[in-house]
Amino acid sequence: QQQVKQSPQSLIVQKGGISIINCAYENTAFDYFPWYQQFPGKGPALLIAIRPDVSEKKEGRFTISFNKSAKQFSLHIMDSQPGDSATYFCAASSRGGSQGNLIFGKGTKLSVKP
Amino acid sequence: EAGVTQSPTHLIKTRGQQATLRCSPISGHTSVYWYQQALGLGLQFLLWYDEGEERNRGNFPPRFSGRQFPNYSSELNVNALELEDSALYLCASSPRTGSTLGYGYTFGSGTRLTVV
Repeated sequence: QQQVKQSPQSLIVQKGGISIINCAYENTAFDYFPWYQQFPGKGPALLIAIRPDVSEKKEGRFTISFNKSAKQFSLHIMDSQPGDSATYFCAASSRGGSQGNLIFGKGTKLSVKP
Repeated sequence: EAGVTQSPTHLIKTRGQQATLRCSPISGHTSVYWYQQALGLGLQFLLWYDEGEERNRGNFPPRFSGRQFPNYSSELNVNALELEDSALYLCASSPRTGSTLGYGYTFGSGTRLTVV
């Protein structure tokens, strides 16, 4: 119940294309869903986050779509650029559960080809 | 506002030695988390400290240990280093559990530990 399942493990997209990363969860008590972006050799950085009272949140080229009934949420990167090449982690809040506040997915390595 | 700072940036140790990694959280954050990230892999939960207490640990042997100081900074110790301990060790901090400030994490840039 505490898991967050992320797919795909890796993704290759052409420059200008749309990158889509999906996550699913079981615990209906989760109420905060952030995405983190990590470049090689750096720590993950918060990219965008959503709460379940909205179905979509957009910040520039990055959009989170949230489906509460399906317990799924996804990250869409529009007009993907080579500079977006990074590893992306989804997460969900567990309100101080066994691993602290957040449970992370296993990550998706995105490569955007020029 | 200063972010989460980790030191050292890089650390090279010999197998069997001990390594000490340090983390200073964002001011006002009371929770500190440690993660191990082996090359190309995800975030493996190591340890969680909150208000000076160890709240939980991941599936790692006892030679991985740590502590949190009264100023909420934290230290991760790895004893009897093995080659497979080579990884990026990330520290993150967050506000107190249940805080109205929210509960997102802020990560440091990590310590790259290489065991030779």
